[in-house]
Amino acid sequence: AQSVTQPDIHITVSEGASLELRCNYSYGATPYLFWYVQSPGQGLQLLLKYFSGDTLVQGIKGFEAEFKRSQSSFNLRKPSVHWSDAAEYFCAVGDGGQNFVFGPGTRLSVLP
Amino acid sequence: DSGVTQTPKHLITATGQRVTLRCSPRSGDLSVYWYQQSLDQGLQFLIQYYNGEERAKGNILERFSAQQFPDLHSELNLSSLELGDSALYFCASSVPLSGAGNEQFFGPGTRLTVL
Repeated sequence: AQSVTQPDIHITVSEGASLELRCNYSYGATPYLFWYVQSPGQGLQLLLKYFSGDTLVQGIKGFEAEFKRSQSSFNLRKPSVHWSDAAEYFCAVGDGGQNFVFGPGTRLSVLP
Repeated sequence: DSGVTQTPKHLITATGQRVTLRCSPRSGDLSVYWYQQSLDQGLQFLIQYYNGEERAKGNILERFSAQQFPDLHSELNLSSLELGDSALYFCASSVPLSGAGNEQFFGPGTRLTVL
């Protein structure tokens, strides 16, 4: 069965600083990997996804993520954070079929 | 807008009562997932339906049940409500086994408050 860990429960960065949110997964085959963002009081919105091919994937809102099979990681990055990026971020892994697992989430706070 | 709709947006009720939450998936999506999100438990998978049949069960209490109808909309029934059932309930839909993988699209959620 798949599992996902997000080691950082809460991260605070200054506006304009770079950001990296960590995600590690456990899955025996090639995973389908996702990052979702949830703004306060809102539903989850897909930021980006990886299925195959180029291991560096670009998403919406200037986010990117890199799949590293050797490290079982799919870390999310953004070169310059905006105040509007403050939200909860969820990493998820699927098998392309019925199974889909979310990580516990990382809350991002942005200082002005 | 994900294309997934949920009603009602807010629900306030009393302990011991029963409520029904409704979800309409994106057009063409056959699979519906229900999640509960509370402050202390995070995002918890409850149950999944695919084309009217139950496919997977997560941390769903026996007091809770769900179904998916022939038109593919789904309902989550919560009974004998307790204070601890207060949470955001999300519905998501996807097309499993498609070439694009089982990416899930989330509705805006129903906020349930049990007093």
